[in-house]
Amino acid sequence: EIVMTQSPATLSVSPGERATLSCRASQSVSSNLAWYQQKPGQAPRLLIYGASTRATGIPARFSGSGSGTEFTLTISSLQSEDFAVYYCQQSDNWPGTFGQGTKVEIK
Amino acid sequence: QVQLVQSGAEVKKPGSSVKVSCKASGGSFSSRTISWVRQAPGHGLEWMGGIIPIFGAAKYTQRFQGRLTITADESTSTAYMELSGLRSEDTAIYYCTRDHASVGMTFDPWGQGTLVTVSS
Repeated sequence: EIVMTQSPATLSVSPGERATLSCRASQSVSSNLAWYQQKPGQAPRLLIYGASTRATGIPARFSGSGSGTEFTLTISSLQSEDFAVYYCQQSDNWPGTFGQGTKVEIK
Repeated sequence: QVQLVQSGAEVKKPGSSVKVSCKASGGSFSSRTISWVRQAPGHGLEWMGGIIPIFGAAKYTQRFQGRLTITADESTSTAYMELSGLRSEDTAIYYCTRDHASVGMTFDPWGQGTLVTVSS
């Protein structure tokens, strides 16, 4: 089973600033990597798939990059509605394992 | 755009079973994998298993083999997750979700979640 490791666990950012979240896979997953956003009391929402493709309706301030074992989610200018927990998930090998999450909080 | 609507919260005794439903509306049900993902309080996401309704055969992660049964009823566009031998550690929110149109094992959309509480 592929282990996904996210860093940092918590990221404190001021509104309007850039946030950079990292995700590392224990072995190569090619570009088969997704990012999800989860707000308190809500189900997760797909943001990015294929490492860099935004899902339908996702604002352009969200971007994903990387391949192989190292991936990054960047939020270019944080809005109030972006403070949430973000999970990466590999879809290369069964089972599609998730990272433990990065909480983006208001600084 | 498909919507997934799950059954309501459950409170169960240790050792019992729970069955949660997930009804799809507004889109294709049978041809894409419906998966179940759980989230224990204050924890992350854990994929339990999934089923392609048109084929009927479910696949489970090793952790849940022997305790988990996932089924689907094409006639009602409803998937089910039954977990047996419940213990306190199974207290969690259980989500159903469907494979993205373009990418397998990538989840979109999600149901609203069903809280299962295991307590004596």
